[in-house]
Amino acid sequence: NAGVMQNPRHLVRRRGQEARLRCSPMKGHSHVYWYRQLPEEGLKFMVYLQKENIIDESGMPKERFSAEFPKEGPSILRIQQVVRGDSAAYFCASSSFPSISETQYFGPGTRLLVL
Amino acid sequence: SQQGEEDPQALSIQEGENATMNCSYKTSINNLQWYRQNSGRGLVHLILIRSNEREKHSGRLRVTLDTSKKSSSLLITASRAADTASYFCATDTAGANNLFFGTGTRLTVIP
Repeated sequence: NAGVMQNPRHLVRRRGQEARLRCSPMKGHSHVYWYRQLPEEGLKFMVYLQKENIIDESGMPKERFSAEFPKEGPSILRIQQVVRGDSAAYFCASSSFPSISETQYFGPGTRLLVL
Repeated sequence: SQQGEEDPQALSIQEGENATMNCSYKTSINNLQWYRQNSGRGLVHLILIRSNEREKHSGRLRVTLDTSKKSSSLLITASRAADTASYFCATDTAGANNLFFGTGTRLTVIP
């Protein structure tokens, strides 16, 4: 059973470009969480999605950031018009139950560098 | 903010010694989890302790939870060089959809 997959593992973008980060949850998991980790810091929650629904996006910046989890395919975190401050590691996690009291399984992350 | 804080921020020990890391948080929680992150890698789940539990063991790991003090500790016994990593605590609260992570303890185990 493959774990949570994220791609690309590393992404370099110039300021103003778009970044698309993909996350495939573990098989059988329908709950996806995105987190951002700045250098030397802990993870900060961004958004929680179930299939075709955004449940909680309270941690997501209001502008330039969007997320989706379509019926088919991976979850996508999209950052438009990237700025240097978007440089960070972006992790997704998945779980099989809606309650986060169950273990979340994390992917290896996508490291975004904005030049 | 519910974000936890780990203490110490960095810890360096000799192989074979025990390592103790502490985590404090601010509001009532449902559960507290500990994760490990190797440099440049993703997070690996270590252990989950529920708010009605006081202590839990898993191999060389021992976790305690004191809800009255809003704190938890992670003890790694007989440390190995491979234990070198950052360790994060994460809490979840009623009604929240996400985990709140602490700032992490960077553990270095010297062979």
